[in-house]
This record gives sequence, structure tokens and C-alpha cells, in this order.
Amino acid sequence: QKEVEQNSGPLSVPEGAIASLNCTYSDRGSQSFFWYRQYSGKSPELIMFIYSNGDKEDGRFTAQLNKASQYVSLLIRDSQPSDSATYLCAVNPSSGSARQLTFGSGTQLTVLP
Amino acid sequence: DTGVSQNPRHKITKRGQNVTFRCDPISEHNRLYWYRQTLGQGPEFLTYFQNEAQLEKSRLLSDRFSAERPKGSFSTLEIQRTEQGDSAMYLCATTRDKSTDTQYFGPGTRLTVL
Repeated sequence: QKEVEQNSGPLSVPEGAIASLNCTYSDRGSQSFFWYRQYSGKSPELIMFIYSNGDKEDGRFTAQLNKASQYVSLLIRDSQPSDSATYLCAVNPSSGSARQLTFGSGTQLTVLP
Repeated sequence: DTGVSQNPRHKITKRGQNVTFRCDPISEHNRLYWYRQTLGQGPEFLTYFQNEAQLEKSRLLSDRFSAERPKGSFSTLEIQRTEQGDSAMYLCATTRDKSTDTQYFGPGTRLTVL
């Protein structure tokens, strides 16, 4: 079992719709959770982070965390073609001193005009 | 702008050659990470510096890889005797705040080994 799992997609949604991206993780002690957006050929760009159970909203983005289910999601409201990218879920595991991130393989999102 | 620059942005080399990449964060970024990303995968952790001290290395980091961060400022990642399997994007990330795990990535160096 991979430590961080995401559906690879591709996920296609029409412009203006809500895109829902999901991620599960295996380390129950994980404390910090991150969503990055990555355009083709570019480096990952931080969108949001979440530490506590529940929802966290930032503009059109909402991150949701359920530690009991070991599940984190990202909702993108009013999706725009410019949101088309690969979305990476990252988790900071509980073990190790480096606090490095463990990433999923990413979900490719296409927003259709 | 994440305040992290990387050079070169692209590197093409022949198998067996040595290559060196550089990461330059702005001065207050005390934690620095190197990751490697291959096509279709998320970044994989390679190594980590707290100021000038290299505190952790992944088992992915073979003996051909070495990293330094003299004086806790810029960092270099060297790959000796490159292999085709080393072809990847090499990403540097830093944290801006000692109290947070939030990492910001530089633009990366894309390595192609022929």
C-alpha cells in the first residue's frame, strides 16, 4: 500500500462546476496536510495546508480533513480552465525528524470551457 | 515568487558524467529539502538540511549523490557517474518559518541523461 494515494485521473469537469479531488494516507499519526498544484513542466505550487479536522476555505478552494478516516480532499468551486493542472496531495508523516513531505502521484484535472 | 531559485533550469548530459545543481533560497529559509520527481509521479524526498547541517538522507540517495549547504545558505546537489535512470526533475524546497512545515518549491532543474 502506498503511503499517500490519489486517483490519477484524468478528472474532467465543465467550466463553473465543482472539482473534487481526494487523497488517503496510511500514517495515522500524520499531522500536516498540503495540496499543491503543478502545471506541466513546472514545479509544485502550494495551494493550501490543513492541520485540523474539518474544512478550511481559501477563495475558491476548500480543503477537508478527516483524520479518523485518514482522508483529505480539495474542492475547487467555479472551476476555470486555468485550474487545469495536476494536483498533488502531500502529507507530513509523524516519524522522522526531517518533516519531509510524502506525496501522492497526483490527480490530473482538466476543466473544459 | 517563492524566494527560491535553482540553476541550471535544464541540464543535458551523457551517461557517466558528473553534474551539479544549485539551490539559492533567501537568507531566512533555515530548512532546505531536495526532492526528485519523475514523470507521472509525485516528488520523492532525497535529503534535508537544517541550516548547514545535513540531518537526513533518503535511502533513494545512492553513494553517487552528495549534497552540501555551506554556511547554511545556498545548497548544491551533485550526481556522479550519471545513469539514464537519474533523468528527472530535481526540486529544492524551503520553509520560511521555523514553526511551520509548509514547504515552497523552487522552479526545479530538469536533468536528461543520454
